[in-house]
Amino acid sequence: EAQVTQNPRYLITVTGKKLTVTCSQNMNHEYMSWYRQDPGLGLRQIYYSMNVEVTDKGDVPEGYKVSRKEKRNFPLILESPSPNQTSLYFCASSRDRGQPQHFGDGTRLSIL
Amino acid sequence: QKEVEQNSGPLSVPEGAIASLNCTYSDRGSQSFFWYRQYSGKSPELIMFIYSNGDKEDGRFTAQLNKASQYVSLLIRDSQPSDSATYLCAGLWHRRFGAGTRLTVKP
Repeated sequence: EAQVTQNPRYLITVTGKKLTVTCSQNMNHEYMSWYRQDPGLGLRQIYYSMNVEVTDKGDVPEGYKVSRKEKRNFPLILESPSPNQTSLYFCASSRDRGQPQHFGDGTRLSIL
Repeated sequence: QKEVEQNSGPLSVPEGAIASLNCTYSDRGSQSFFWYRQYSGKSPELIMFIYSNGDKEDGRFTAQLNKASQYVSLLIRDSQPSDSATYLCAGLWHRRFGAGTRLTVKP
């Protein structure tokens, strides 16, 4: 089954404790991206990757890091999480940048 | 600068009616847009995309792109309670989605 898998689905943690949200897709897609979704603000892109080792900032990259060492994986790293990063996060992938996005099930992060 | 904006509040229609959802955009060069549906607690899923001016129909759904007025619409004919969800629009690069319009279809 074609899918984008995120882990964990839920996480409650404390300020400053580094965390990683994993994302993996099995569709051989070249393009992957991370979004955060906050009430009233819609989905905002954090980072995207056009291919292995090619990443770029989206609309709201501050406080986040990503890496793309393999085509299927695109982890999101919060080096020093803060409460304003409490949000619902989605990973997505597509054949290329201008194509419909396939979304993972989401990760709800709470930073206390 | 936002790719797209959705400024309409929640929309409620009776079952069987036509639901009309709108999105405006600022870049006059844009001509490709996507509509996603998001059920409560779920991830967005593609409904339709439109790559040129005019209308595109797919079953009960019609996407309309009006380049002169810079808006893109989604019409849902014969609305069903199962259409109750939040509808999001996005531009070609998916950099920022609209905040969404929550649609409720009442039986």
